[in-house]
Amino acid sequence: DGGITQSPKYLFRKEGQNVTLSCEQNLNHDAMYWYRQDPGQGLRLIYYSQIVNDFQKGDIAEGYSVSREKKESFPLTVTSAQKNPTAFYLCASGGRHTDTQYFGPGTRLTVL
Amino acid sequence: DAKTTQPTSMDCAEGRAANLPCNHSTISGNEYVYWYRQIHSQGPQYIIHGLKNNETNEMASLIITEDRKSSTLILPHATLRDTAVYYCIVRVEVNYGGSQGNLIFGKGTKLSVKP
Repeated sequence: DGGITQSPKYLFRKEGQNVTLSCEQNLNHDAMYWYRQDPGQGLRLIYYSQIVNDFQKGDIAEGYSVSREKKESFPLTVTSAQKNPTAFYLCASGGRHTDTQYFGPGTRLTVL
Repeated sequence: DAKTTQPTSMDCAEGRAANLPCNHSTISGNEYVYWYRQIHSQGPQYIIHGLKNNETNEMASLIITEDRKSSTLILPHATLRDTAVYYCIVRVEVNYGGSQGNLIFGKGTKLSVKP
């Protein structure tokens, strides 16, 4: 099946540890995005990538890092520098010439 | 990108049409109206988008006023599975070679479909 996957669905980490969230797509999309959602709030952009080996900071990039070594994959690392990492993280992908974005199921990260 | 205003919440009876309004009074001529929805604890799902003309697909209809300052998303026969937060977003359509940025999601409208 074509689609975008995120793993794991739930993730628990101790404070001070880095953690990497996975995002994979087989839709042949050029662009990929990471958003963060807090309870009762809209989505906020962390990072996005329009093409392999290139990515741009979004509105709330501090404390996060990404890589785009392959078209299909856009992992997000939540570092210990992120002050409030507990949130719902959503990955999305989109074609180069369209604004329609397709979202993964999300990863709910809880930092204890 | 233009800002949108949506009601915080709405109720709809199962089987009836759900009409979700969105105001975008500062929309510019080359900005499209997009609708997404997010069912609880899932990723957002694309529904429909349009520029000037009304649009319809298998999920919904989009009615845009002539002055383009507001629009309405219509779910013709709402079911319990349509209970979700609905987001109205306006932005410029991406052109080849242009930058492709994010979709700005506000708080949306929480639609509750009741039996």
